[in-house]
Amino acid sequence: DQQVKQNSPSLSVQEGRISILNCDYTNSMFDYFLWYKKYPAEGPTFLISISSIKDKNEDGRFTVFLNKSAKHLSLHIVPSQPGDSAVYFCAAIVGLEGAQKLVFGQGTRLTINP
Amino acid sequence: DTGVSQDPRHKITKRGQNVTFRCDPISEHNRLYWYRQTLGQGPEFLTYFQNEAQLEKSRLLSDRFSAERPKGSFSTLEIQRTEQGDSAMYLCASSVRAQETQYFGPGTRLLVL
Repeated sequence: DQQVKQNSPSLSVQEGRISILNCDYTNSMFDYFLWYKKYPAEGPTFLISISSIKDKNEDGRFTVFLNKSAKHLSLHIVPSQPGDSAVYFCAAIVGLEGAQKLVFGQGTRLTINP
Repeated sequence: DTGVSQDPRHKITKRGQNVTFRCDPISEHNRLYWYRQTLGQGPEFLTYFQNEAQLEKSRLLSDRFSAERPKGSFSTLEIQRTEQGDSAMYLCASSVRAQETQYFGPGTRLLVL
């Protein structure tokens, strides 16, 4: 039962263009979402988050959009840079109390071409 | 301000051996999490500590796995009688409080031969 889904295993974008990574979720109780970036042999690095009370959050080149009715969020990176090449994970926080563990999607491998 | 650290970074062991991993969270973080990541998948939750109390365990955490956080600071994850299916990246994360971002360590990559 995959509650957070990233349906594109890979994405290739030209340097300087916009990268759009997508994520869908099934549980309408999720109310906080995060994007992480992961390089090989390293742990995930936090990028940006969004609460369900918002529909957009921006931090420099990174913007996350949340469409609650569609249970869909997306990460926009503009302009894309070679250093952005990595695996990107979407995650949702589960649990109103207690653990509030993260549930991750399968990841999307982004490759930025020069 | 140092981040989350994990030791060792890599471990190769033979099936049936016991292994222990250590995680040092960010110093003021009282919540500590263990996750496991296998190839092609996102990290999956294993267990969670608030201070020294282990408050939740996933069904993924069989009775061969045990985790401790004795003084509410560092944590250890032990796997007894390792199996080839235990081969994965074991990730530790910490956060200050609920609904706060979890920060991950570099992970321990385990290979069971």
